[in-house]
Amino acid sequence: ETGVTQSPTHLIKTRGQQVTLRCSSQSGHNTVSWYQQALGQGPQFIFQYYREEENGRGNFPPRFSGLQFPNYSSELNVNALELDDSALYLCASSLLGSGTSRANVLTFGAGSRLTVL
Amino acid sequence: KQEVTQIPAALSVPEGENLVLNCSFTDSAIYNLQWFRQDPGKGLTSLLLIQSSQREQTSGRLNASLDKSSGRSTLYIAASQPGDSATYLCAAGSEKLVFGKGTKLTVNP
Repeated sequence: ETGVTQSPTHLIKTRGQQVTLRCSSQSGHNTVSWYQQALGQGPQFIFQYYREEENGRGNFPPRFSGLQFPNYSSELNVNALELDDSALYLCASSLLGSGTSRANVLTFGAGSRLTVL
Repeated sequence: KQEVTQIPAALSVPEGENLVLNCSFTDSAIYNLQWFRQDPGKGLTSLLLIQSSQREQTSGRLNASLDKSSGRSTLYIAASQPGDSATYLCAAGSEKLVFGKGTKLTVNP
């Protein structure tokens, strides 16, 4: 059973640029959630994808967008980067659907560290 | 809007000590309460999940309790070891988690 993998692990961008982060979900999982963790803070929910559709969104502007693919992998895209977008971006996968318990344990990846200069 | 607070922000203890980390939340209508461990620069490792109908969960030296009426959860670590040094985060919710800022634990040999 493979875990959640994220790429790239580290990247540096400049203000105004665009970035794409990638996530492969754990085998058997159908849902992907993205979180932003600024230095010294707890992770904040960005959005969740289920069956290739956005299934809930946190308090993030539209320049944060995502995709989920048929194999349940996912991308997070951020346009017009700002300095405050510098953070660790975490992807988590889980199994959601009829018959599943609400006690779903999210499996997190190691994250992508984004620095915006 | 759910808010999660963790106290203390940092804790340093000698090896072998038993310790308690605290987590409080504002909305008692939570589905689950989860505790995670995060090593520096790394992702999150799930430690314990307490469903809203449960009062506690145990795994090895870890015990987590949940009191929805008071909006509190505690993580008890028995016989702490230097390898327990990490940041511990609690999170309320089911799929869309609301996290606290964490407690940074240092266990000194």
